[in-house]
Amino acid sequence: DQQVKQNSPSLSVQEGRISILNCDYTNSMFDYFLWYKKYPAEGPTFLISISSIKDKNEDGRFTVFLNKSAKHLSLHIVPSQPGDSAVYFCAASGRETSGSRLTFGEGTQLTVNP
Amino acid sequence: DTEVTQTPKHLVMGMTNKKSLKCEQHMGHRAMYWYKQKAKKPPELMFVYSYEKLSINESVPSRFSPECPNSSLLNLHLHALQPEDSALYLCASSQSGGRGAPTGSYEQYFGPGTRLTVT
Repeated sequence: DQQVKQNSPSLSVQEGRISILNCDYTNSMFDYFLWYKKYPAEGPTFLISISSIKDKNEDGRFTVFLNKSAKHLSLHIVPSQPGDSAVYFCAASGRETSGSRLTFGEGTQLTVNP
Repeated sequence: DTEVTQTPKHLVMGMTNKKSLKCEQHMGHRAMYWYKQKAKKPPELMFVYSYEKLSINESVPSRFSPECPNSSLLNLHLHALQPEDSALYLCASSQSGGRGAPTGSYEQYFGPGTRLTVT
């Protein structure tokens, strides 16, 4: 049972445009969500997170939106840059399920074309 | 400083060898993790240490043995591995963790990983 889903394995956008990466979850106990970026042969890098008490969190070019009723979150990158090309993982956690356990989606490969 | 360091960067070992992976963080984090990642897959949780005690073992085979000598260090001892154990092994740390931990303490910071090849 995949509790965190990233339905798009890949996304290609032009430099300067907006990249939108999507993530859906099924476990209503999740109350904290994170996005990680990963380059090949490196560890994931934490990007941005959002608590379920918020519907938006912004950090520079990165904004995460959370729609609790739809159990959906998205990561917006604007403007997209070629250096943003990487695999993006959505992850979720919950205080009651176990704060230590992050459940990851399968990842979306983002390619930003110059 | 959000740095987690791991050594070695690459490791090739035979199925009869014994080796260890090392991880270190100096962020004052009290939870540390071992993950295994195969190509094009998300990280898979192996072990969690919280306040230097093993709190989660995801039914990992005994050929993998974790150790947490102190709050900054985490080791993974490897013995009699199989070729299918070849993967990127990632260490991570977070402020705390466990049930009821404050949100925001769940942010896990990953090291660069050790690329392990078992021959």
